[in-house]
Amino acid sequence: DIQMTQSPSSLSASVGDRVTITCRASQSIGTFLNWYQQKPGKAPNLLIYAASSLQSGVPSRFSGSGFGTDFTLIISSLQPEDFASYYCQQSYSTPLTFGGGTKVEIK
Amino acid sequence: EVQLVESGGGLVQPGGSLRLSCAASGFTFSSYWMHWVRQAPGKGLVWVSRINTDGSSTNYADSVKGRFTISRDNAKNTLYLQMNSLRAEDTAVYYCARDPHGRNWFDPWGQGTLVTVSS
Repeated sequence: DIQMTQSPSSLSASVGDRVTITCRASQSIGTFLNWYQQKPGKAPNLLIYAASSLQSGVPSRFSGSGFGTDFTLIISSLQPEDFASYYCQQSYSTPLTFGGGTKVEIK
Repeated sequence: EVQLVESGGGLVQPGGSLRLSCAASGFTFSSYWMHWVRQAPGKGLVWVSRINTDGSSTNYADSVKGRFTISRDNAKNTLYLQMNSLRAEDTAVYYCARDPHGRNWFDPWGQGTLVTVSS
């Protein structure tokens, strides 16, 4: 199975901050990497697919990059509605696996 | 509007069974792969199972293989998850999710249904 490791597991940031979340795969997965946002009590929402493609309707302050084993999700200017948990997920092979999540909290 | 609505969750004793349903609307259900993903209380997301468009191909996480069965009824636009031999560790919110053409990402997700396995 491909293990996905996210860091940090949590962070505190202020509105307007640039936030970077990283995700590392235990083996090379090309660009088969996706990012989700989840707010408390709600279902996850797709932000980025195929490592860097922005899902329709997602604000452009979200961006993704990476290839192989190392990937990054960047929020260029954190907004109040962005305080949530974020998960990476590999779509390279089954079993499909998620990172442990990053909780973005208000500083 | 694309919509996925899960139902069938509830409290069940260890060793019991439950069948979850996911009613789809707003899109051509028969054209999409579908998945189940679960989330234990306070924990992260775990993929459970997937099914292809006509139901001829299925995959499972090792933790549920042999106990859970994914299926679909394209005439009823409904996805199912039959869960047998339930264990306490199966306690979670279960989400169904659409997969664009077998790409193995999930969009959108249903609102989830809670399954609690406890005596």
